[in-house]
Amino acid sequence: GAVVSQHPSRVICKSGTSVKIECRSLDFQATTMFWYRQFPKQSLMLMATSNEGSKATYEQGVEKDKFLINHASLTLSTLTVTSAHPEDSSFYICSASVSEWPYTEAFFGQGTRLTVV
Amino acid sequence: GENVEQHPSTLSVQEGDSAVIKCTYSDSASNYFPWYKQELGKRPQLIIDIRSNVGEKKDQRIAVTLNKTAKHFSLHITETQPEDSAVYFCAARGQAGTALIFGKGTTLSVSS
Repeated sequence: GAVVSQHPSRVICKSGTSVKIECRSLDFQATTMFWYRQFPKQSLMLMATSNEGSKATYEQGVEKDKFLINHASLTLSTLTVTSAHPEDSSFYICSASVSEWPYTEAFFGQGTRLTVV
Repeated sequence: GENVEQHPSTLSVQEGDSAVIKCTYSDSASNYFPWYKQELGKRPQLIIDIRSNVGEKKDQRIAVTLNKTAKHFSLHITETQPEDSAVYFCAARGQAGTALIFGKGTTLSVSS
């Protein structure tokens, strides 16, 4: 199947700093990518939909000024957690899929474990 | 938007028994229903999926059934093995290119 690569896999940062997470589709073009957050022992919660060349669409309750998403090319979306706080510590994971029917499978990055100290 | 409910949250079975996990969805336009297995700290792994034009799909010990009228779908694992122990998530999605919405997950424990 297609490959989605996410980097870094782990990051520790100090409160108040910003962290950038990259999500790349390695062998296909993704006009749309998705960002999820997963707290321990919980499900994957959709944060936002990243659209190439346009603004991201955020889910209700997700602060767009805190979680900056940039999708500048057909193979790269970035999520920047700005002014990070300990409560932002979580597992962040991106996803992309081939948009054309009948291709339906979603491909996930490896995930990023963010710890804010 | 779509809402996916998953039950049970935990499931314990003996090795060799069958396990069934059930999900319901709210958006009648959803047409793709995958099931994932996730190990701690890793990405979800697709184990089986079904599209809305199919009622049942089977892959060895794993099967998924879909009832579009009732808007529910189920995962069936037969002859369970200890290595089946994991967290399983169901998900639903509308048209291609839209986001998967996940259920809350089921922790399956298979004891030998």
